[in-house]
Amino acid sequence: GAGVSQSPSNKVTEKGKDVELRCDPISGHTALYWYRQSLGQGLEFLIYFQGNSAPDKSGLPSDRFSAERTGGSVSTLTIQRTQQEDSAVYLCASSPIAGGVFADTQYFGPGTRLTVL
Amino acid sequence: QQQVKQSPQSLIVQKGGISIINCAYENTAFDYFPWYQQFPGKGPALLIAIRPDVSEKKEGRFTISFNKSAKQFSLHIMDSQPGDSATYFCAAIGTGTASKLTFGTGTRLQVTL
Repeated sequence: GAGVSQSPSNKVTEKGKDVELRCDPISGHTALYWYRQSLGQGLEFLIYFQGNSAPDKSGLPSDRFSAERTGGSVSTLTIQRTQQEDSAVYLCASSPIAGGVFADTQYFGPGTRLTVL
Repeated sequence: QQQVKQSPQSLIVQKGGISIINCAYENTAFDYFPWYQQFPGKGPALLIAIRPDVSEKKEGRFTISFNKSAKQFSLHIMDSQPGDSATYFCAAIGTGTASKLTFGTGTRLQVTL
């Protein structure tokens, strides 16, 4: 079956513009995660969805960042008034269920490389 | 505060050699420790994982060693191959909580001929 897909694969934008990044999780996966990977850094957790609700938004770096998930499936990460420090690869992952023994298997998409000029 | 520390940052190993990557964690609530492999332009992919009730897990050429008292775990790649050249991330997760992965900073492995 299809894995996690993300679009666009690359996004170049000008400082101050808004961007939307999309994630299509594996069908049936109830948990969805967004991470950010900056050059030379590890992966930084941003937000986690269980169904359409986001119990943990603790990783969002500022109020310019927001995310939503609809229909328990597709998720959109929105960055408003982008800054150069937002340049990174944004990765989405999904897992069958959050919590308990199945929470460990997170499947990652290929990421969206965001460049803010 | 970095909760998972990973070393080395980069590693060069000859074909057929053993690659060893080390990680240490601080949060005793972590109860699952996966390793991810990432090739350029791709998302991380789960390679192998261990729970703290065992001290070692082996899958093919990949072995995780786990030391609960020291809060350390390591990945050993036996008979390293050029195709193993990638970035490796250790991670930790507390499956009883929100289940977000906490990653190490990654190790770029290059296996030379």
